[in-house]
Amino acid sequence: GAGVSQSPRYKVAKRGQDVALRCDPISGHVSLFWYQQALGQGPEFLTYFQNEAQLDKSGLPSDRFFAERPEGSVSTLKIQRTQQEDSAVYLCASSFRDINTGELFFGEGSRLTVL
Amino acid sequence: SQQGEEDPQALSIQEGENATMNCSYKTSINNLQWYRQNSGRGLVHLILIRSNEREKHSGRLRVTLDTSKKSSSLLITASRAADTASYFCATDWTGGFKTIFGAGTRLFVKA
Repeated sequence: GAGVSQSPRYKVAKRGQDVALRCDPISGHVSLFWYQQALGQGPEFLTYFQNEAQLDKSGLPSDRFFAERPEGSVSTLKIQRTQQEDSAVYLCASSFRDINTGELFFGEGSRLTVL
Repeated sequence: SQQGEEDPQALSIQEGENATMNCSYKTSINNLQWYRQNSGRGLVHLILIRSNEREKHSGRLRVTLDTSKKSSSLLITASRAADTASYFCATDWTGGFKTIFGAGTRLFVKA
């Protein structure tokens, strides 16, 4: 596709359920970022991939959060045993650059609501 | 929090007026970027200014950068109702791979 695609757009989970959020970046983009955006706030960095390598996961809030990009293209953010505080929009962004020196292309986000 | 600070948090102006938003950050940077986000949508890149640049223009946008004060400003001239959105500054951190976003300024342009 022409842009970054995220799915699902909306996810409602019961507390304690596991969820998986998918990001399909722009073809050929080396860098992939995941961000968490709470209502009315700016995006908070979660993790960064350069191709298939996860080079920075310092923003993941707990060990319940796990991200992968096994073939250097599609990425999945998994949240285990969801809690109400996990409710947020999860944004994926990609860039053709191999370091953080340029424009990020964002998907529309996956809005997670944990009941 | 990882975020820098932006002010004002919210800004309401009339169509045709100029809008100025400010951003301060904490770390050494390669670049500073500004993004726009319409409600319920993803972020869209507006402009990038490198750490060795002081001012940059793109259409109705003017960005300044003062690395000694670790601050930047975004000026939107002759605003339109369609400019209503949230605006975020983002810094490309020299110490790693993060691009760090501020908390944003919510701009409302009244027709």
